[in-house]
Amino acid sequence: QQQVKQSPQSLIVQKGGISIINCAYENTAFDYFPWYQQFPGKGPALLIAIRPDVSEKKEGRFTISFNKSAKQFSLHIMDSQPGDSATYFCAANPSGAGSYQLTFGKGTKLSVIP
Amino acid sequence: EAQVTQNPRYLITVTGKKLTVTCSQNMNHEYMSWYRQDPGLGLRQIYYSMNVEVTDKGDVPEGYKVSRKEKRNFPLILESPSPNQTSLYFCASSRVGGRPDNEQFFGPGTRLTVL
Repeated sequence: QQQVKQSPQSLIVQKGGISIINCAYENTAFDYFPWYQQFPGKGPALLIAIRPDVSEKKEGRFTISFNKSAKQFSLHIMDSQPGDSATYFCAANPSGAGSYQLTFGKGTKLSVIP
Repeated sequence: EAQVTQNPRYLITVTGKKLTVTCSQNMNHEYMSWYRQDPGLGLRQIYYSMNVEVTDKGDVPEGYKVSRKEKRNFPLILESPSPNQTSLYFCASSRVGGRPDNEQFFGPGTRLTVL
């Protein structure tokens, strides 16, 4: 059972455009929603994360939008650059017992073309 | 430098030949985990460990073994590898402790091919 659904599977965006990746979850116990970025030949690394008590978090060109009632969250990359080309994974985990266990989406391969 | 290391980075082997992929972290993390990454399937957890001598199955444990005899090391063992275990493997570690914002640190990956 896939607990975090991620779309699209792949995305091609022109340089300077906005990249948008969406995720949805079912488990209401999830309390933390990180995004991981993976460059080719590397392991995933934490990019940005949000708690459900806020609807948006921005770090530079990267923004997470969070809709608690719809159980959806998304990553927006503004002014996308070729260097942003990577695979992006959304994830979720609960507070308390089991907080160490991340549930990942299946990933989105982003290609930013010049 | 805080890091998770894996060895080997690349491995080509034959069906049935036992192998071990090592994982080590220098951050004194309690939690360690193994994932495999396959196209279209994302990251799937194989096994994880909450602390020394404490291990548990993830989503796809069949055909794999792990051990946690020391806090820093978490080797992945394939006793009789098969071609369907050809994949990219990642080890990860994090703190444990109630708070959900425990960042997982990933190793660089091990690309395994089983012929």
